[in-house]
Amino acid sequence: QLQLQESGPGLVKPSETLSLSCSVSNGSMSSSTHYWAWIRQPPGKGLEWIGNIYYSGSTYYNPSLKSRVTISVDTSKNQFSLRLNSVTAADTAVYYCARHAPSSQHRGLFYFDYWGQGTLVTVSS
Amino acid sequence: DIQMTQSPSSLSASVGDRVTITCRASQNIGNYLNWYQQRPGKAPKFLMYAASKLQSGVPSRFSGSGSGTDFTLTISSLQPEDFATYYCQQNHSGLVTFGQGTKVEIK
Repeated sequence: QLQLQESGPGLVKPSETLSLSCSVSNGSMSSSTHYWAWIRQPPGKGLEWIGNIYYSGSTYYNPSLKSRVTISVDTSKNQFSLRLNSVTAADTAVYYCARHAPSSQHRGLFYFDYWGQGTLVTVSS
Repeated sequence: DIQMTQSPSSLSASVGDRVTITCRASQNIGNYLNWYQQRPGKAPKFLMYAASKLQSGVPSRFSGSGSGTDFTLTISSLQPEDFATYYCQQNHSGLVTFGQGTKVEIK
């Protein structure tokens, strides 16, 4: 079945850029229906959607993070990436990548059906 | 942006209890509402879509209802593996929001 795996530094200094990658295996990212997403969860808190990307490169971002976020895709490597710049301690979180899949029965309804295991990124000097 | 508000934030229950969690949207989202379960230290697991449709493999003790702005997730007979945090989620116009979560703890 589809598997997603996050990778990247676990420690980032304040004001620098957080960079993570998500590798997708046992399936192709070049689906004409699925999006690929980043979601984060600060320690002890709830889930926050960061943004989505389509295989063609079109993106949707959380308005609260939009000015600092870039999500990109490399279908040749079957992976997508997250860059979050000017990080602060508030960006410390477990970062998840996930597939955002459409319902076959409800047009416009999407859900996160496959998730990576998550990777903790700490922002600290 | 559409805000999602869950209640309660946490609850204590015993094995075998019936548990109901509520999720309210700040505007009408039809039945475009999904539910997830997250056990400690694990990634969220997709449970339900379109407010009431169970994902394949999810036990039938889970059920959902609602439309418009008010939704519920019900566990008919709580099992030990159900002690977890539950999140509702909507997507509208390409934007996604989650509820703040409801933690189901052992009484």
